[in-house]
Amino acid sequence: QKEVEQDPGPLSVPEGAIVSLNCTYSNSAFQYFMWYRQYSRKGPELLMYTYSSGNKEDGRFTAQVDKSSKYISLFIRDSQPSDSATYLCAMSAGKAGTALIFGKGTTLSVSS
Amino acid sequence: DGGITQSPKYLFRKEGQNVTLSCEQNLNHDAMYWYRQDPGQGLRLIYYSQIVNDFQKGDIAEGYSVSREKKESFPLTVTSAQKNPTAFYLCASSRRGLNTEAFFGQGTRLTVV
Repeated sequence: QKEVEQDPGPLSVPEGAIVSLNCTYSNSAFQYFMWYRQYSRKGPELLMYTYSSGNKEDGRFTAQVDKSSKYISLFIRDSQPSDSATYLCAMSAGKAGTALIFGKGTTLSVSS
Repeated sequence: DGGITQSPKYLFRKEGQNVTLSCEQNLNHDAMYWYRQDPGQGLRLIYYSQIVNDFQKGDIAEGYSVSREKKESFPLTVTSAQKNPTAFYLCASSRRGLNTEAFFGQGTRLTVV
């Protein structure tokens, strides 16, 4: 079992839809959870950063972490064509000498 | 503006040649990372450095080398020993300890011809 699993999609939705992106993980030591957005041929940009369990909201984006289920989600409300990108989850145990572990990314397409 | 600069954006290399990718950051971050991204593979860690003059191998270090002589700079050399070097290479940095988020450069697309 890979440490982080993420459905690659592609996921296609109409403009205005609510999008749900998810990752599961196996390492119970993970405490820091991030979502990155990556446009084609660009570097990933940080969207959301969450520590431990709970929800975090930023505009149209909501990140949820359920450590008991080892499951994280990113919700996008009122999706826009500009949200079309690849979304990568990433997580870390936060220990010195370790690095972020990434999911493979989910490709999202929002049509107008 | 603070950030991470990777150069060049596109790079072509002949088989058998070494090539060095540049990564510079002015965020005053201690930690720096190199990832490789291939279609369908996600990001795979090549090398990372938590502090100047120290670095560790990641999951796919074979055929690559790095140096960390300055806090701001973490160049990656793709050697002729790397069997499949054509890929998108991403450099990132973070505050030390990796319990904080990492910030990425815009990447270098390396093509072996």
